[in-house]
Amino acid sequence: SYELTQPPSVSVSPGQTARITCSGDALPKQYGYWYHQKPGQAPGLVIYKDSERPSGIPERFSGSSSGTTVTLTISGVQAEDEADYYCQSVDSNGTVVFGGGTKLTVL
Amino acid sequence: EVQLVESGGGLVKPGGSLRLPCSASGFTFSSYSMNWVRQAPGKGLEWVSSISGSGGYIQYADSVKGRFTISRDNAKNSLYLQMNSLRGEDTAVYYCARGQLSGDYFDYWGQGTLVTVSS
Repeated sequence: SYELTQPPSVSVSPGQTARITCSGDALPKQYGYWYHQKPGQAPGLVIYKDSERPSGIPERFSGSSSGTTVTLTISGVQAEDEADYYCQSVDSNGTVVFGGGTKLTVL
Repeated sequence: EVQLVESGGGLVKPGGSLRLPCSASGFTFSSYSMNWVRQAPGKGLEWVSSISGSGGYIQYADSVKGRFTISRDNAKNSLYLQMNSLRGEDTAVYYCARGQLSGDYFDYWGQGTLVTVSS
């Protein structure tokens, strides 16, 4: 079955840039999407269609795509950005797939 | 304001059944696909099932195919997940999520309802 691969954890100091990658064979043909989730809360969309930002999401969140990898970049990380981040895409059959998630720790 | 509210979770024995409703408001329900996504305790997100706005197109994850049934009642702005033959590995928080018209992603999520399968 199709898989999206994320690093289990990323750690950065406040004010630095965090980059979270997501790799999948179908990503050159399918969009990647990103969600964040804080403990006890529902997930929320932060990036759609590789690099589009929904209204209400701070400009420090950006997304990019290159080959089989999509990347979520958080510039000038703040303590409130500490959360789990999940990428999502679809496989060749249009079935939704999530990555395993990345825990972002702000040191 | 878009709101999605799940209910119906609880403790059920292995082999048992449970029906989860999700009540939607703040948007034209029938125009959007709807989805169920679950999250086992301490684990990541797992897509469970999707249903198109008309109800005519349905998909299931292999892990639930043949046991779970998704449905919707557009007159009542409600989404449902009928879960039969429940197993321990079905223990999770179940979220309903709205599918975005322009792509295969979810722009609004409910707060989730916990289903625990245990004897």
